[in-house]
Amino acid sequence: QQPVQSPQAVILREGEDAVINCSSSKALYSVHWYRQKHGEAPVFLMILLKGGEQKGHDKISASFNEKKQQSSLYLTASQLSYSGTYFCGTEYNGAQKLVFGQGTRLTINP
Amino acid sequence: KAGVTQTPRYLIKTRGQQVTLSCSPISGHRSVSWYQQTPGQGLQFLFEYFSETQRNKGNFPGRFSGRQFSNSRSEMNVSTLELGDSALYLCASSLRQGAGTEAFFGQGTRLTVV
Repeated sequence: QQPVQSPQAVILREGEDAVINCSSSKALYSVHWYRQKHGEAPVFLMILLKGGEQKGHDKISASFNEKKQQSSLYLTASQLSYSGTYFCGTEYNGAQKLVFGQGTRLTINP
Repeated sequence: KAGVTQTPRYLIKTRGQQVTLSCSPISGHRSVSWYQQTPGQGLQFLFEYFSETQRNKGNFPGRFSGRQFSNSRSEMNVSTLELGDSALYLCASSLRQGAGTEAFFGQGTRLTVV
């Protein structure tokens, strides 16, 4: 069951904030966040495990709401380098098998 | 530390042929997973190998197969290629097996079937 990401696309000006959501209809074991730029490989951002934790580094952070089976990625004071497509990958039942959302395309303009 | 290395980076094959893609994981990583990325279907899980054994498999036909060697390097094979197999094939390397483990992707092999 593929997780649902929202929004599908967002356009921001440099310095603005963004929130990307990832929702699952099944109980989640973990959520992985990646950023992919055109023609490049997905780059690992962070992983959150069930238990309702929050993580972050620099101006990118994420939360995991186990009750809602949802994770959110927060990008604050966005920079031009944040542009790309963001994917959440979900794992269920302890199996190492990422199921990815359809992606959220983020465009940061100067 | 070197990242995940995939070879070749680009391939053009004809329908009906077969192809073998290679993935060398990050040094010390023992789990390798393969994904197919297409504009229409997005990123889809193919299979995962750990200690030379396939641990998980996605919903792909038997034409897609793989293996892992004792040095953790992995190969993926696609036989009787179809036009729909054109995609970016990504390999992800993890330190250990099991969910909740960080996975790092290689640059991918872009396969075009004509």
